[in-house]
Amino acid sequence: DTGVSQNPRHKITKRGQNVTFRCDPISEHNRLYWYRQTLGQGPEFLTYFQNEAQLEKSRLLSDRFSAERPKGSFSTLEIQRTEQGDSAMYLCASSLGQPATNEKLFFGSGTQLSVL
Amino acid sequence: ELKVEQNPLFLSMQEGKNYTIYCNYSTTSDRLYWYRQDPGKSLESLFVLLSNGAVKQEGRLMASLDTKARLSTLHITAAVHDLSATYFCAVDIQLNTGTASKLTFGTGTRLQVTL
Repeated sequence: DTGVSQNPRHKITKRGQNVTFRCDPISEHNRLYWYRQTLGQGPEFLTYFQNEAQLEKSRLLSDRFSAERPKGSFSTLEIQRTEQGDSAMYLCASSLGQPATNEKLFFGSGTQLSVL
Repeated sequence: ELKVEQNPLFLSMQEGKNYTIYCNYSTTSDRLYWYRQDPGKSLESLFVLLSNGAVKQEGRLMASLDTKARLSTLHITAAVHDLSATYFCAVDIQLNTGTASKLTFGTGTRLQVTL
């Protein structure tokens, strides 16, 4: 296992189009997170899954955003009717779900979205 | 709302010099992380600091945590060019659902080590 995998690496789309990103976490990890990073800023939390259940969503995640993890393995993040403000790096992370003191997140390389 | 501030935001230093990056945060936290990010790359975990007074070292990097002051430092000793990257601290606020992590990141410190 080579770590958290995200596809595509880059996505260019026109405003108003829908886009979908995929994240494959480390195989035995039951927790999966999505973060968004804009240029010059630190990543911001978007949402979190414990297995297939989406347990937390940030207020940054508007109604145009939806995330799924149907079988508790890979996850998808869809953005409908994209806007220029959605342009960012979308990062996925996974963790094993250890007790609090051992929780460690492993990040993927991200999907860079550019909305024209 | 939790705020995490790093300074400096940009640091240019010569090889062989020492310097410290500071991370201040606004509320009580159980855990603090330091990450490294190279341009176009993923975030690489450097340190996890779990308690007041925790100190961890790896190579030329040493991180410490003072929970009373809500301050963490990342000290660079005898910098080398390979350390050039952006360094983020991230404070962990446990989600309502238990022990899962919800990281709030600082804005990052872009370190440039010149030859």
